[in-house]
Amino acid sequence: VQLVQSGAEVRKPGASVKVSCKASGYGFTSYHMHWVRQAPGQGLEWMGIINPSGGGPTTYAQKFQGRVTMTRDTSTSTVHMELSSLTSEDTAVYYCARSVRPHSHLGGMDVWGQGTTVTVSS
Amino acid sequence: QSVLTQPPSVSAAPGQKVTISCSGSSSNIGNNFVSWYQQLPGTAPTFLIYDNNKRPSGIPDRFSGSKSGTSATLGITGLQTGDEADYYCGTWDNSLSAVVFGGGTKLTVL
Repeated sequence: VQLVQSGAEVRKPGASVKVSCKASGYGFTSYHMHWVRQAPGQGLEWMGIINPSGGGPTTYAQKFQGRVTMTRDTSTSTVHMELSSLTSEDTAVYYCARSVRPHSHLGGMDVWGQGTTVTVSS
Repeated sequence: QSVLTQPPSVSAAPGQKVTISCSGSSSNIGNNFVSWYQQLPGTAPTFLIYDNNKRPSGIPDRFSGSKSGTSATLGITGLQTGDEADYYCGTWDNSLSAVVFGGGTKLTVL
């Protein structure tokens, strides 16, 4: 079981960034996928969750609603997270993480991607 | 300010035991399972405990979890220098409809 994320990105303030997370080694559509970020020297911050099977709504943390979009491509077993209107406060490492239980958002995150560093700077 | 409250740091000597607390409310810990994560310096978090007290395969029994009411605790026995890391608790919050984390606890093995 593995989650492999796309490479580091640098963006200017006001731009958007799209981070990818490719899953392998398990049934992609059976497990929800979380997105979590970590600013430099800070703790973990949950951004939202997507059901790769397409059933049910995608849930976003209130802080990011209107600015984040999570999508999935079942043909490539990949989930994407796009964040728009970037500011310097969005500089962070972004992680995808698989939900531990099949078909559930509960219970925790058992497999994590390696992280993608997003730097927002003018 | 995190929804779940953890001590910023704890420390103990090699071979000793340490506990890390995680305090919440009825909308999160009080009515949902708690999970714990270990983050070694410069790496992604790893899954340590789920469903309050269950260990994923490969996690040694030196690590344990418990929950009582609106608080949870991570215990680590037989401390090793390799256990030096940040530890985070997390759970679902029914009021926020979101996953919430503690602010993290830095463990130092003296």
